[in-house]
Amino acid sequence: DQQVKQNSPSLSVQEGRISILNCDYTNSMFDYFLWYKKYPAEGPTFLISISSIKDKNEDGRFTVFLNKSAKHLSLHIVPSQPGDSAVYFCAAKRDSNYQLIWGAGTKLIIKP
Amino acid sequence: EAGVTQFPSHSVIEKGQTVTLRCDPISGHDNLYWYRRVMGKEIKFLLHFVKESKQDESGMPNNRFLAERTGGTYSTLKVQPAELEDSGVYFCASSQGQFWDTEAFFGQGTRLTVV
Repeated sequence: DQQVKQNSPSLSVQEGRISILNCDYTNSMFDYFLWYKKYPAEGPTFLISISSIKDKNEDGRFTVFLNKSAKHLSLHIVPSQPGDSAVYFCAAKRDSNYQLIWGAGTKLIIKP
Repeated sequence: EAGVTQFPSHSVIEKGQTVTLRCDPISGHDNLYWYRRVMGKEIKFLLHFVKESKQDESGMPNNRFLAERTGGTYSTLKVQPAELEDSGVYFCASSQGQFWDTEAFFGQGTRLTVV
């Protein structure tokens, strides 16, 4: 049973436009959510996170929105740049458990 | 400062053989984690060390997998004997504090192919 789902394997966006990556989860006990970015042949790197007590967190071009009632979060990238082309993973955790539960990732392609 | 280093970057072995993956965390990081991504699917937790102690190994798939962390420094993950389903990318990460903060860093991964 996959507790964190990223239903879009890939997404193609024009440079300069907004990229919206989606993530759904099933476990209402998750209290912290993170987005990671991964380039080929590299490990994931932390991008942005949000606590379950918030509904929005912003860091530069990146904003994460959390809708707890829908068990849905999204990552917005505005404006999209060529260097944003990568695989984006959504991850979640609960309580003080160090385990992260990951989605399968969405490959974002930014077209020039 | 050096990041998390994993060795080898690639390994191709035959079914039934043994493979040992190594991870060198960032110096001073007490927490070390192993994760695995199989066939482009989600990344899955394997285990978590705090210094030399296994804090949580609930993600280890079976007893063919053995992880150690010598003296609380580098860690090894041994697969013996390897099976076809063990193929995937094995990531190591380390952090000084809580994993969900920005303190956690991943290595580049070891791509294991069992044929």
